[in-house]
Amino acid sequence: EVQLVESGGGLVQPGSSLKLSCVASGFTFSSYNMHWIRQAPKKGLEWIALIYYDSSNKYYADSVKGRFTISRDNSKNTLYLEMNSLRSEDTAMYYCANPIAAGMDAWGQGASVTVSS
Amino acid sequence: NTVMTQSPTSMFTSVGDRVTMSCKASQNVGINVGWYQQKTGQSPKRLIYWASNRDTGVPDRFTGSGSGTDFTLTISNMQAEDPAIYYCLQHNSYPYTFGAGTKLELK
Repeated sequence: EVQLVESGGGLVQPGSSLKLSCVASGFTFSSYNMHWIRQAPKKGLEWIALIYYDSSNKYYADSVKGRFTISRDNSKNTLYLEMNSLRSEDTAMYYCANPIAAGMDAWGQGASVTVSS
Repeated sequence: NTVMTQSPTSMFTSVGDRVTMSCKASQNVGINVGWYQQKTGQSPKRLIYWASNRDTGVPDRFTGSGSGTDFTLTISNMQAEDPAIYYCLQHNSYPYTFGAGTKLELK
């Protein structure tokens, strides 16, 4: 069974940093590009980052470029999202996902991040 | 950036109805579009990939169509378990972008 399990969310102050993790199982993690997608409270989905299967390329939404860094450790089947200079508008549920690959759709349960003083 | 415009924003339907919702891209995205269903309190789930391919296990009442800039998701026979928010996603060019969603409710 394909599983993605996020961790590392929490309540942080504006300007601080946080690192999310996502452990994958049930598929060959090292063969797939992986994404982070977020959803602010009562809002729609926002794609924020992609990393290629071999970490050779990374892409970001304009809203997080320069502040967030996506990375992965294929030896640990783990995807990361390092978030710096957090703002109130970064408050959201953050999903680790593989939403594009033909024949496989995978989403985690989400990690909640609240940025507030 | 490619803007994905979904319509309608919301709609009320009845069990057994045929439902059609639209997603329009601001530029040509080929067939690089997926449709996702999100029920209240749950993570999204993909229904359709590459514009018209149904994911494994998705009932055949869900059909995706379109290419270029105009895409449609059709539910041929609305069921009680289908109320949700439906999103389209383009993955033709970076940054990838979602539509704002169509909220589907039962009368």
